[in-house]
Amino acid sequence: KAGVTQTPRYLIKTRGQQVTLSCSPISGHRSVSWYQQTPGQGLQFLFEYFSETQRNKGNFPGRFSGRQFSNSRSEMNVSTLELGDSALYLCASSPDVLVGGITQYFGPGTRLTVL
Amino acid sequence: DQQVKQNSPSLSVQEGRISILNCDYTNSMFDYFLWYKKYPAEGPTFLISISSIKDKNEDGRFTVFLNKSAKHLSLHIVPSQPGDSAVYFCAARRRDDKIIFGKGTRLHILP
Repeated sequence: KAGVTQTPRYLIKTRGQQVTLSCSPISGHRSVSWYQQTPGQGLQFLFEYFSETQRNKGNFPGRFSGRQFSNSRSEMNVSTLELGDSALYLCASSPDVLVGGITQYFGPGTRLTVL
Repeated sequence: DQQVKQNSPSLSVQEGRISILNCDYTNSMFDYFLWYKKYPAEGPTFLISISSIKDKNEDGRFTVFLNKSAKHLSLHIVPSQPGDSAVYFCAARRRDDKIIFGKGTRLHILP
């Protein structure tokens, strides 16, 4: 099976712009989660989508949003980019909702740089 | 407020010896704990997990120990191999299913 794919892998934007990142989960996986990784804060949970519905959300401002399509592919959008949004954005998929010991499979990430 | 803490940013261990990675947590509402490993330019890879009702889980060279009274868990790797050099993240799942990650510990396996 192909793994989780994320596009693009690298992105450079300027402050004030908006960006859309894409994630294709492992075939058959219905849950997609997004994380932000920065050197200072480590990995922080952004949101989880399951069956096109946002199931859970982390503590990020409303500039961060996402959606999931009927084929389980997901996109996240960041509007009005700030310098502090520079980070590695990771997508993870799992077969079902994130409960108990169910594990996630991560993609390689999208490295976003905001100038 | 950092609910999951990995207080050692890095750790160096001789090849063949035991690597012990530590993680502390502050929230009693976590019901599962997980360890992930991350190589540069790749996403994290799941290693092993443990339910809060257990105190030990083993999978090959990897063993996770959970001490609920101390709110502490550790990952033991025996024996350590060169391919174990990576960043290790401790994560905890809350009862509302949100997952909190620590900041990671970089493990160097020395030849």
